[in-house]
Amino acid sequence: KAGVTQTPRYLIKTRGQQVTLSCSPISGHRSVSWYQQTPGQGLQFLFEYFSETQRNKGNFPGRFSGRQFSNSRSEMNVSTLELGDSALYLCASSLESMRGADTQYFGPGTRLTVL
Amino acid sequence: AQSVTQPDIHITVSEGASLELRCNYSYGATPYLFWYVQSPGQGLQLLLKYFSGDTLVQGIKGFEAEFKRSQSSFNLRKPSVHWSDAAEYFCAVGTTGTASKLTFGTGTRLQVTL
Repeated sequence: KAGVTQTPRYLIKTRGQQVTLSCSPISGHRSVSWYQQTPGQGLQFLFEYFSETQRNKGNFPGRFSGRQFSNSRSEMNVSTLELGDSALYLCASSLESMRGADTQYFGPGTRLTVL
Repeated sequence: AQSVTQPDIHITVSEGASLELRCNYSYGATPYLFWYVQSPGQGLQLLLKYFSGDTLVQGIKGFEAEFKRSQSSFNLRKPSVHWSDAAEYFCAVGTTGTASKLTFGTGTRLQVTL
């Protein structure tokens, strides 16, 4: 079974631009979560989508948004990019079966550099 | 709110030596606990997890971890480290009801000397 895939793997943008990152979860997984990883702040939860609805949200400004499609694929968007948005953005998927908590499996990440 | 502390930022061990990485968590109920490993430029790979039951859990690559409720700890161990184990290790906690929002520790970078 294929793992979580993220595209693109690397991205360079300039301040003020916007960017869209894509995540395809493991087949059959219904939950997709996004995390930002920076040297200074570490790994921080951005948001989680389940059945096309945002179910959890971290403490990030409204410039960070996301969505999930009916096939569970997800995108996240960052508008009006700032230098501090430079980070590795990780996507994770989980089955979210009715029996309770499931394990999150991570993709390789998208490395975003803002100049 | 839950939190995770990994007190060791950087650890160096010799190949073949034993390893223990510390993790302490703060959460009112029984947590879901995870250890992930990240190699440079890569995503996170799950090593092992604890949801309930036996407090000693076995993972991949010869790793194990023990959940100690009285000490709020979930330390990762390996009896004999290989040079390929050099990476960054993250402990994470998920709360009851959903493990889809993980809180991570700051990570421990493991260096292995030959």
